[in-house]
Amino acid sequence: DIQMTQSPSSLSASVGDRVTITCRASQGISNYLTWFQQKPGKAPKSLIYAASSLQSGVPSKFSGSGSGTDFTLTISSLQPEDFATYYCQQYNSYPWTFGQGTKVEIK
Amino acid sequence: EVQLLESGGGSVQPGGSQRLSCAASGFSFSRYAMSWVRQAPGKGLEWVSAIFGDGGSTYYADSVKGRFTISRDNSKNTLYLQMNSLRAEDTAVYYCAKRAGGGYMDVWGKGTTVTVSS
Repeated sequence: DIQMTQSPSSLSASVGDRVTITCRASQGISNYLTWFQQKPGKAPKSLIYAASSLQSGVPSKFSGSGSGTDFTLTISSLQPEDFATYYCQQYNSYPWTFGQGTKVEIK
Repeated sequence: EVQLLESGGGSVQPGGSQRLSCAASGFSFSRYAMSWVRQAPGKGLEWVSAIFGDGGSTYYADSVKGRFTISRDNSKNTLYLQMNSLRAEDTAVYYCAKRAGGGYMDVWGKGTTVTVSS
């Protein structure tokens, strides 16, 4: 199985900060990587697919990059509604696997 | 509007069975693969199972293989998850998700909660 490792597990940031979350796959997954945002008590929401493509309706402050084993999610200017937990997930091969999540909290 | 609505959750004793349903609307259901993903209380997301649009191929996480069965009824636009031999560690919110043409999960339901406890 492909292991997905996110870092950091949590971070504290202020409104307006630029935030970067990294995700590493245990083996190459090309660009079959997606990012989700999840708020407490809510279903995950798709942000980025194919490592760098923005899901329809998602603001452009979110961006993704990477290929192979190393990926990043960047939020260019953190807003109050962005405080949430973010997950990466590979869909290169079954079983699909998620990173452990990164909780973005208010500083 | 694409919508997914899970149902069938509840409390069940260890060793028992439960069947979850996911009613789909707003898209051509039979054309898309579907998945189940779960989230234990306070934990991260865990992919559980997937099924192709025609139901011909299915996939499972090792943690549920041999106990859970995914299926679909395309005439009813409904996805199912039959869960047998339930364990305490199966306690979670279960989400169904639609697989986009590009392969990733693009739309999720709101989830249904399964609690396995004596």
